[in-house]
Amino acid sequence: DVKVTQSSRYLVKRTGEKVFLECVQDMDHENMFWYRQDPGLGLRLIYFSYDVKMKEKGDIPEGYSVSREKKERFSLILESASTNQTSMYLCASTPDRITEAFFGQGTRLTVV
Amino acid sequence: AQSVSQHNHHVILSEAASLELGCNYSYGGTVNLFWYVQYPGQHLQLLLKYFSGDPLVKGIKGFEAEFIKSKFSFNLRKPSVQWSDTAEYFCAVPNDYKLSFGAGTTVTVRA
Repeated sequence: DVKVTQSSRYLVKRTGEKVFLECVQDMDHENMFWYRQDPGLGLRLIYFSYDVKMKEKGDIPEGYSVSREKKERFSLILESASTNQTSMYLCASTPDRITEAFFGQGTRLTVV
Repeated sequence: AQSVSQHNHHVILSEAASLELGCNYSYGGTVNLFWYVQYPGQHLQLLLKYFSGDPLVKGIKGFEAEFIKSKFSFNLRKPSVQWSDTAEYFCAVPNDYKLSFGAGTTVTVRA
């Protein structure tokens, strides 16, 4: 059974903290994604990666960075968390040709 | 780049009613399209997908979608909904390495 695992379901962080969200997939997929999900806005792409050490900005990359040192792991970093980054964060992976995306359970991040 | 738009933000209906959710994509040519569903507290999962061939696509849980090239549409349908269909539904389209989603439609089914 395919799996995308996000390290935390819920996180509460303080403004200004550096935050790491981790995602691991066990399907040997080339592509990995980070989205944030907000009511009425759907899923907005933050960053994606199509290969190890490769990363591309999505639609809303400001305030975020990513790291992909190994094929199975894709990390999202909030350099200095702010309250407007309170959201649900979803990680996904796909094979090279996007036939289907597989999602993790999501991390609900609250920045106070 | 391809994008999709969903025009219904929130749909409320009773059990056994028929459901149709709209999805339009931005321009022609070869296009692949997906519908995803997110049940309360669960992760997003694939309902159905269109790549080529028969424009009427059948998915899980009795859902289907019709690809209409002339209307740039890929609407999701279910003839008779159940309370368990309460969820958020997203249309999506791949662009090179990216997968772009619509704003989503929240469907509430009343018993």
